[in-house]
Amino acid sequence: KAGVTQTPRYLIKTRGQQVTLSCSPISGHRSVSWYQQTPGQGLQFLFEYFSETQRNKGNFPGRFSGRQFSNSRSEMNVSTLELGDSALYLCASSFTQGEKLFFGSGTQLSVL
Amino acid sequence: EDQVTQSPEALRLQEGESSSLNCSYTVSGLRGLFWYRQDPGKGPEFLFTLYSAGEEKEKERLKATLTKKESFLHITAPKPEDSATYLCAVHPGEGSSNTGKLIFGQGTTLQVKP
Repeated sequence: KAGVTQTPRYLIKTRGQQVTLSCSPISGHRSVSWYQQTPGQGLQFLFEYFSETQRNKGNFPGRFSGRQFSNSRSEMNVSTLELGDSALYLCASSFTQGEKLFFGSGTQLSVL
Repeated sequence: EDQVTQSPEALRLQEGESSSLNCSYTVSGLRGLFWYRQDPGKGPEFLFTLYSAGEEKEKERLKATLTKKESFLHITAPKPEDSATYLCAVHPGEGSSNTGKLIFGQGTTLQVKP
């Protein structure tokens, strides 16, 4: 059974640009969550989607957005990148809300 | 406010030297407490879920326990391959503004030397 797949693995952008990250959940999982991980702040919740609807949102500015497609695949978008957006972005899936999460390997984003 | 605090931040052990990692939490109505292991450059890997005080789970050299205020991850006779960052997370229940989100601690980085 394939795990959670995130693409791309690494990304380098400059300030002001925008970026789209992709996540394919485990087959059959309908809940997809996104987390930002930095050395200083640890893992912080961005948002969660279930059946194409955003169910929860963390305390991040509106520059961070996401969506989920009918096949449960998800994308997150960050517009007008700032240096502080440099982080490991992790996607996780579960069969339903509140269950154990299965994480992908993440997308390492560097903003120069 | 829902909060998770892990201690120590870092732990260095000799191979075979048993120890415990601590996860203290303050949460409105705990729906579940999760332990994850994270290796460098990888996403967290699920280890255990605990739901109620007194519950214990074991897997190889790891044993997780839960009280009303904290959880412990006991590592018995660790090996170098147990070196990783161990993360604790809570799922708040009804009455919390964080219902539906996992709140993570900062993690404990464990190094086991041969």
